[in-house]
Amino acid sequence: GAVVSQHPSWVICKSGTSVKIECRSLDFQATTMFWYRQFPKQSLMLMATSNEGSKATYEQGVEKDKFLINHASLTLSTLTVTSAHPEDSSFYICSARDKPVTDRYGYTFGSGTRLTVV
Amino acid sequence: GNSVTQMEGPVTLSEEAFLTINCTYTATGYPSLFWYVQYPGEGLQLLLKATKADDKGSNKGFEATYRKETTSFHLEKGSVQVSDSAVYFCALVQNTGFQKLVFGTGTRLLVSP
Repeated sequence: GAVVSQHPSWVICKSGTSVKIECRSLDFQATTMFWYRQFPKQSLMLMATSNEGSKATYEQGVEKDKFLINHASLTLSTLTVTSAHPEDSSFYICSARDKPVTDRYGYTFGSGTRLTVV
Repeated sequence: GNSVTQMEGPVTLSEEAFLTINCTYTATGYPSLFWYVQYPGEGLQLLLKATKADDKGSNKGFEATYRKETTSFHLEKGSVQVSDSAVYFCALVQNTGFQKLVFGTGTRLLVSP
C-alpha cells in the first residue's frame, strides 16, 4: 500500500529559528500534497495545498511567509516554519494524493511532526 | 460550503460493547466519505470509505453506510476492543474541483477492559 514518510517525528527549536519538515511519498507519485496543523484535542486544520512544480495554495489566515512550502518533485514536499515562536508549537501532518488518473490510494497521511518552540 | 458534523466525545465504552459514532455532512453534489483513525502521537490512517450513495465501507469490524437521504455516514462496530481506543475523524471530499478533504472535529473513543 501507499506509504508517506514524514520527518522529523518531533523537534524542539529555539524561538526565532527555522524548522524544516519533510514529507515523502515512498512508493507512489504524489501530484498533490496537503499540510495540516492540529491543535491538542482538535481537528485538522488545512494550511496549504501544494502541487508539484507550482506554488502552494494557502488557506485563508495562514501566513505564506511564515510557513514556506516547497513541492519540488513528485515524491517530496517540505514545510519550513520560519522564525518560529512558541505559538507555532503544534502537531503538523502532511498528506499526499496519488495521481488523479490512477488514484489508487486516495489520501495517505504521514505520521506527523510534533513541533515545540521554546 | 462543505462541512462535517460529528458527535462530541469522549465516548467511553467497556470492551465488547457496541459502538456508534454519528456523522452527518453538508455538501453539494455527491461527495466521497471517509472515516480516519488517529492513535496517540500518530498521523491519520484510513479506516474505511464510501464513494457513492448506499455504499457500505468496512474494515477491521468497523462499518459505515453512505446514506444520502439522511446525509449521514455513521460508524459502527459490534464489539469494541481496548485497542480501538483512538480518535475517529469523519471526512468528505468533493469528487470535482480541488478535492480537499473536509474533516469533522473528531470523536475520542475510550475502551476499558
